[in-house]
Amino acid sequence: AQKITQTQPGMFVQEKEAVTLDCTYDTSDQSYGLFWYKQPSSGEMIFLIYQGSYDEQNATEGRYSLNFQKARKSANLVISASQLGDSAMYFCAMRKDDFNKFYFGSGTKLNVKP
Amino acid sequence: DGGITQSPKYLFRKEGQNVTLSCEQNLNHDAMYWYRQDPGQGLRLIYYSQIVNDFQKGDIAEGYSVSREKKESFPLTVTSAQKNPTAFYLCASSTGTGASRNTIYFGEGSWLTVV
Repeated sequence: AQKITQTQPGMFVQEKEAVTLDCTYDTSDQSYGLFWYKQPSSGEMIFLIYQGSYDEQNATEGRYSLNFQKARKSANLVISASQLGDSAMYFCAMRKDDFNKFYFGSGTKLNVKP
Repeated sequence: DGGITQSPKYLFRKEGQNVTLSCEQNLNHDAMYWYRQDPGQGLRLIYYSQIVNDFQKGDIAEGYSVSREKKESFPLTVTSAQKNPTAFYLCASSTGTGASRNTIYFGEGSWLTVV
């Protein structure tokens, strides 16, 4: 069975500082994709970043980067230069190749302090 | 614009009633999903469909039913058998090509409250 673990229910970060949100996953598959989503208080789910299991370089999208350590099965999200608008729930997810099922973690609530 | 439309945004259900949440997508995606989210919690998969006229149970299918008669539409019925239906419901879709990089897109969600 696939499993996504986010061990930080809530985190605080000072505005303009960087923050790392942890995500570990459990799979016996070799080919899979890892995703991070942001959910503001409005409820919508916003796609942030993707990392393929065979990608040799860590993914980056603007202020978001993914610290991918395949041997440790971790896919931590790094947000640089935090902004007040980054305050939200963040979910890590995994999808196996050739399969349309997505597995989500329990989420981390990030609060950015002014 | 392409996207996923859920309706209604807010819905109140009386005890013993069935209610249906609508989900329509114009992204030409093969796969569609329904997730339930309780306050402060993660997403739990209710049902998913990889192709028209086919769907599979997710982790918490009891008390729910779905249909997939058209590619664009994947309505969810919350039946009276669902004893604790108050939650936020998210519909989503994804391409069915099998490549893991194809992400999942979400609608704006529906809030269901039992009164």
